[in-house]
Amino acid sequence: EPEVTQTPSHQVTQMGQEVILRCVPISNHLYFYWYRQILGQKVEFLVSFYNNEISEKSEIFDDQFSVERPDGSNFTLKIRSTKLEDSAMYFCASSEMVAGLIEQYFGPGTRLTVT
Amino acid sequence: SQQGEEDPQALSIQEGENATMNCSYKTSINNLQWYRQNSGRGLVHLILIRSNEREKHSGRLRVTLDTSKKSSSLLITASRAADTASYFCATEDGGFKTIFGAGTRLFVKA
Repeated sequence: EPEVTQTPSHQVTQMGQEVILRCVPISNHLYFYWYRQILGQKVEFLVSFYNNEISEKSEIFDDQFSVERPDGSNFTLKIRSTKLEDSAMYFCASSEMVAGLIEQYFGPGTRLTVT
Repeated sequence: SQQGEEDPQALSIQEGENATMNCSYKTSINNLQWYRQNSGRGLVHLILIRSNEREKHSGRLRVTLDTSKKSSSLLITASRAADTASYFCATEDGGFKTIFGAGTRLFVKA
């Protein structure tokens, strides 16, 4: 069964460093999403992406964040200058159609630790 | 305001018992979804119920939706130890954003 994959599974970085989290969505999916989950808290929407542009973003997704689909398979989330409060699990998801009409498939997540 | 608030926050039951989790939301929705998350793992989609549906079944899962009360429930029948996980409801309003609730932590004792 096709699945969303994410790398790395765990990333440790120092405050102020840039990180890139990578995702490979399911191949025939057209909509892509990033979410984050701070330890013990709810899953929070960050951004959705369709047709090579951001469809919607939350207030969390400020200028420090960017997303890119550099090729036909990868979908990346970049944090330019990490802060301690960016420590969280980051989940990528994809769907064939816009979220809500059909289920989103989630990756296993990348645990980001900012020290 | 927060969308998709589950209750109870935590639930502990014996294997074989039924588990009921509730979710309330505040705004109009297109649909509501339930997800499961095992500790430290990703989210697994369980079931999607559209705003014009009232009840949906999938195996041991039964989901109801009451749009007049802006609430939904997830019932897991004949629970198993493997059902131990956190369960989240999530709503979508027709845009590109899915909003998750805080979740219910279910513990099923063998």
